[in-house]
Amino acid sequence: KAGVTQTPRYLIKTRGQQVTLSCSPISGHRSVSWYQQTPGQGLQFLFEYFSETQRNKGNFPGRFSGRQFSNSRSEMNVSTLELGDSALYLCASSLGTSGNALVTQYFGPGTRLLVL
Amino acid sequence: LAKTTQPISMDSYEGQEVNITCSHNNIATNDYITWYQQFPSQGPRFIIQGYKTKVTNEVASLFIPADRKSSTLSLPRVSLSDTAVYYCLAGPLQGGKLIFGQGTELSVKP
Repeated sequence: KAGVTQTPRYLIKTRGQQVTLSCSPISGHRSVSWYQQTPGQGLQFLFEYFSETQRNKGNFPGRFSGRQFSNSRSEMNVSTLELGDSALYLCASSLGTSGNALVTQYFGPGTRLLVL
Repeated sequence: LAKTTQPISMDSYEGQEVNITCSHNNIATNDYITWYQQFPSQGPRFIIQGYKTKVTNEVASLFIPADRKSSTLSLPRVSLSDTAVYYCLAGPLQGGKLIFGQGTELSVKP
């Protein structure tokens, strides 16, 4: 099976712009989670989508949003970019079966966003 | 989701066995312990997961004592390519939300 893919891999934006990142999960996986990784804050959970519905949300401002499509592909959007949004954005997919404590998340290579 | 504590960094040499211990004092009954490995500019990679006693796969072993308040990841005969950050997580994993701590930066030297 192909792994989790993320596009684009690298992105440069300026403050105030908005950006959309895309994630294609492993075939058959219905859950997609997004994470932000920065040197200062480490890996932080943004949100999770399961069957096109947001199921969990981290402590990020409303500028960060996402959605999931019927084919489980997911997009993440950040509006009004700030310098502090520069980070590696990681997407992870899993089978997402509720109640299964052995669910394993598989991560993509990430999108490196630089905000100038 | 239990808070985890691990050493910030560890050094080792090729061919040695490396043991990284993680503390999770407030682990809940339905929490599992999972370890991920991350190389620079890549996403974390699942290594091993367990609930109690010992789990072994082709990459590592995971030792969990009876009280489950700590766990030890054991990497046999490390090589330079094992240089990475290793994260210990304790949680039920349902809901697709993983809480990562600071991780342990393992440096393997020749």
